[in-house]
Amino acid sequence: SAVISQKPSRDICQRGTSLTIQCQVDSQVTMMFWYRQQPGQSLTLIATANQGSEATYESGFVIDKFPISRPNLTFSTLTVSNMSPEDSSIYLCSVEFAGGIGQPQHFGDGTRLSIL
Amino acid sequence: GQQVMQIPQYQHVQEGEDFTTYCNSSTTLSNIQWYKQRPGGHPVFLIQLVKSGEVKKQKRLTFQFGEAKKNSSLHITATQTTDVGTYFCAGPKAAGNKLTFGGGTRVLVKP
Repeated sequence: SAVISQKPSRDICQRGTSLTIQCQVDSQVTMMFWYRQQPGQSLTLIATANQGSEATYESGFVIDKFPISRPNLTFSTLTVSNMSPEDSSIYLCSVEFAGGIGQPQHFGDGTRLSIL
Repeated sequence: GQQVMQIPQYQHVQEGEDFTTYCNSSTTLSNIQWYKQRPGGHPVFLIQLVKSGEVKKQKRLTFQFGEAKKNSSLHITATQTTDVGTYFCAGPKAAGNKLTFGGGTRVLVKP
């Protein structure tokens, strides 16, 4: 099966700074998503990363705070901007390998982010 | 908006016993997916159910999709320590490939 690499795996950051998380897949994928998972909680979809165009954000998430890029079919980045302690969370990318509705999603290992 | 709820939130199980976790959606689903997340790990896809009343088995795990396609269950028999983790159900949002995840059932196994 394909490999989904997410970097960094963890980081500790100062408030007010920004961090960019990378998600690299070793094969082309149709869909890429970014999720947030706060400690002990479920997964909340931040946005769908669209190849060559602006990401589609879910309610409560905005581009200025979470800019996303997807320059090609195998790579995406999520930036967490102007971080505050409330942004401490696990950030996960996920991908779908096939087209059509209802395909399973496959997740990267996640980025554990702590804001001081 | 669409809500997906899971009960119980926590399940403490004696090793060897059976248990069931339930998933309920506020809307009818075209399909439902189940994922398992081990402690410190990432969610891993287990199975997808599509048909009304569908039942699928994976070794000791039995998944069922309700007749009305608004609920689902996961039954684990003879629980083992390897079953520890959080089990999430997820249903598609109204349009597209996006998923709404339930709150998860965190399973702890007592040896």
